[in-house]
Amino acid sequence: QSALTQPASVSGSPGQSITVSCTGTSSDVGAYNYISWYQQHPGKAPKLMIYDVSNRPSGVSNRFSGSKSDNTASLTISGLQAEDEADYYCISYTSSITYVFGTGTKVTVL
Amino acid sequence: QPQAQESGPGLVKPSETLSLTCTVSGGSISDSNYYWAWIRQPPGMGLEWIGSVHYSGATACKPSLKGRVTISVETSKNQFSLRLAYVTAADTAVYYCVREKGGSSWADYLGQGTLVTVSS
Repeated sequence: QSALTQPASVSGSPGQSITVSCTGTSSDVGAYNYISWYQQHPGKAPKLMIYDVSNRPSGVSNRFSGSKSDNTASLTISGLQAEDEADYYCISYTSSITYVFGTGTKVTVL
Repeated sequence: QPQAQESGPGLVKPSETLSLTCTVSGGSISDSNYYWAWIRQPPGMGLEWIGSVHYSGATACKPSLKGRVTISVETSKNQFSLRLAYVTAADTAVYYCVREKGGSSWADYLGQGTLVTVSS
């Protein structure tokens, strides 16, 4: 059970849109719609931003959106803001009846 | 909105067993809609899903940790626990207790996590 693959870093200027990818296999990302995205600021607990591929919890900005195609899930942040600078992790349910995290992506606002 | 208090030693010696307990308040651990999970994060590294337990006693565990991990639930105390045997320095991490919703990838981190250091 290998970690899902995310780019180590993604950057963008304020106001721009960026996309973070999360690539798995047909046994995890490709098999289920149980995929979440977390935002983590330094020293803080992860915060749920997207669940079940594209659903936003109450209170999360609609600038955050999620999608999935085949074995790759994606998180898009539109209208990038300074406060969006953080680490982002995807997580997917697997055919082993477990969850597996992505490798994590550092988002930098230029 | 449930909250949790994690308890357990902050320092464990190599080859010994790490034991943590998560006591939940503001919600029932016997709610059949939820699973109770442990997630960890070594310093400066990424998140790792360890395993989960349902109030019925059903458990799931990351394959590479099977054999070392025991996750259990104590409904009378509204708490769940993690035991990790034969620890090494690689098990040094912040450990989080998490509430997962069944039939969904929705999850709720119940606290700020607790740092456990493995060192002699």
